[in-house]
Amino acid sequence: QQPVQSPQAVILREGEDAVINCSSSKALYSVHWYRQKHGEAPVFLMILLKGGEQKGHEKISASFNEKKQQSSLYLTASQLSYSGTYFCGTESTYSGAGSYQLTFGKGTKLSVIP
Amino acid sequence: DTGVSQDPRHKITKRGQNVTFRCDPISEHNRLYWYRQTLGQGPEFLTYFQNEAQLEKSRLLSDRFSAERPKGSFSTLEIQRTEQGDSAMYLCASSFPRGYRRAETQYFGPGTRLLVL
Repeated sequence: QQPVQSPQAVILREGEDAVINCSSSKALYSVHWYRQKHGEAPVFLMILLKGGEQKGHEKISASFNEKKQQSSLYLTASQLSYSGTYFCGTESTYSGAGSYQLTFGKGTKLSVIP
Repeated sequence: DTGVSQDPRHKITKRGQNVTFRCDPISEHNRLYWYRQTLGQGPEFLTYFQNEAQLEKSRLLSDRFSAERPKGSFSTLEIQRTEQGDSAMYLCASSFPRGYRRAETQYFGPGTRLLVL
């Protein structure tokens, strides 16, 4: 089952903040966040491991709540360059066959306007 | 470090034809993945190699699809008797091994966009 991302789309003005959520029905070992611009490859942003960690990457940070099986990506003081589709990829704690695959959500389209 | 490369970037073919795509991973990465991405969706896992061994295959990978990585370096994905439903972006990714095979960062290539007419 793929993780559920919300919102599906969001429009921001430069300088505004946004939160993108990723929720799974499975127990998670890790959550991987990517940004993809139209026609380009997904670009790795950060990875969070179980243990409830929080990470930052410039003005983009994320948290992972393994008990709730949720992760959130925080974008602060958004810039035009942040526009794109954000995907979370999840890795479950299940250790059987196929367990090391990343399962991606449908993405959240972020548009930053001047 | 030149990143993951894929060739061709675009392919238009007629239904029923065979197509082959190539992926060159980052040089020290011994793990290689193929994904398919359709419009409005995230990447969907197809198959995974560790060195030359194909270790996992998704149920999405029908008998018409075959992937190889003969020398543990580049990989090819072949689709036989293409169908219109095969139209998608085919993405390749590679990762550097961690001892316990968890939470490896996958670096994606630019993809091959396939259109089946």
